[in-house]
Amino acid sequence: DVKVTQSSRYLVKRTGEKVFLECVQDMDHENMFWYRQDPGLGLRLIYFSYDVKMKEKGDIPEGYSVSREKKERFSLILESASTNQTSMYLCASGDGELFFGEGSRLTVL
Amino acid sequence: AQRVTQPEKLLSVFKGAPVELKCNYSYSGSPELFWYVQYSRQRLQLLLRHISRESIKGFTADLNKGETSFHLKKPFAQEEDSAMYYCALSGAGGSEKLVFGKGTKLTVNP
Repeated sequence: DVKVTQSSRYLVKRTGEKVFLECVQDMDHENMFWYRQDPGLGLRLIYFSYDVKMKEKGDIPEGYSVSREKKERFSLILESASTNQTSMYLCASGDGELFFGEGSRLTVL
Repeated sequence: AQRVTQPEKLLSVFKGAPVELKCNYSYSGSPELFWYVQYSRQRLQLLLRHISRESIKGFTADLNKGETSFHLKKPFAQEEDSAMYYCALSGAGGSEKLVFGKGTKLTVNP
C-alpha cells in the first residue's frame, strides 16, 4: 500500500512562530503536493513539486515556502505563522491519482 | 483556467434513495476527472476516475463533455456512503496539478 506520512497530526503555535510540516512518501512518486483544507473552501493547492529541488506555486502560496531535498520528503514551511493559517494541511503524492496523508491540523493562536 | 464547481455544499437523502452529486468543470483542453471521498476520521482517497469507467461501491460517473459535467450517481444510497465528496480535475494524462471543487457533504439518513 502507498503510504504518505505526515509527521504531526496536531500542532498549536503562536503568531510569528516558524512552523515546519513534514511529509514522507514511500512509493517513489515524483510529484508531491501540499493542500490546505478549509470548510466551505475545499482543497486549495499551496505548492507542488515535480522533482527533487523543484517547486512550483499553487493557488495560494503567500506566506508559505517548501523544501524538497530528497525525493521522498516534501516539507511545508510557514516562516511566520499567522492566525489565518489555522487550517488542516494535507500532503499528497502521485501522478493523476493522488495518495493523501492523514493531515496536520494547525492552530495558530 | 481550470475550475471545478460543486453547486451543493450539503446533500441529504434517505437510505435506499438515488443520489446524484453534481460536478461541473471548466477547462480548455482534454481533462481528466476524478471523484475523491473522505469518510469521517479517514484520509482523503480516490473513489473513481473517468478513464477507468469503473463502478466503485455502486457509484458511477460519466464525463459529459458537451455539458462539461461529471456527476456522481448511485441508484440506492447506503448509510456508509455518508462522507465528504470532492470532484477534481487535471490536464490530459493526469500529469498536471489536481484542482478540487469545494466539496459536497453527503448524509444518508436511516
